[in-house]
Amino acid sequence: DAGVIQSPRHEVTEMGQEVTLRCKPISGHDYLFWYRQTMMRGLELLIYFNNNVPIDDSGMPEDRFSAKMPNASFSNLKIQPSEPRDSAVYFCASSLSGANEQFFGPGTRLTVL
Amino acid sequence: QKEVEQDPGPLSVPEGAIVSLNCTYSNSAFQYFMWYRQYSRKGPELLMYTYSSGNKEDGRFTAQVDKSSKYISLFIRDSQPSDSATYLCALWGSSNTGKLIFGQGTTLQVKP
Repeated sequence: DAGVIQSPRHEVTEMGQEVTLRCKPISGHDYLFWYRQTMMRGLELLIYFNNNVPIDDSGMPEDRFSAKMPNASFSNLKIQPSEPRDSAVYFCASSLSGANEQFFGPGTRLTVL
Repeated sequence: QKEVEQDPGPLSVPEGAIVSLNCTYSNSAFQYFMWYRQYSRKGPELLMYTYSSGNKEDGRFTAQVDKSSKYISLFIRDSQPSDSATYLCALWGSSNTGKLIFGQGTTLQVKP
């Protein structure tokens, strides 16, 4: 298996633009997680899905952020409109169950100018 | 108060030193305790996984959990420059369903 796949790896955009981050989890994993990592706040859970259903989105910072999982092999995280404070590394992770090892993707480094 | 507290460091040690990394937590519901290692510009990867109080050893790494004190540790023996990374503790409890709670991470540098 190729592991968790994320695209793009790097994204530079201007304030106000829409940003879409994509994730393909490991086949067979029932849980998918979106995290954001910054120096100041560390690794923060934004939202997670179980069997394609959003379970907890309490970490989504505001309405500008949305995430969907239309099927078991794909999820996206959208930011519209983007702001400079959204600059961070966004990780997607998947796991077999909540208590199991989470496998992280390589991350998307987002810079909003 | 954060659910998990971890000193961000950075921690710098000479090669061969014994390293001690620690986290404290506040919620006694946590049942599973993990350590993730994150190299620069990479995603975190699971290093150690423990369920109960006590010690678990894997090569040069030992994870220790003290539930009574709500304190977890990771020891690295004979540290190597390749151990230079950020180490994040992560906790999971049944009340959180699928949600792992991560510490801030401690950045470790092992100097040759």
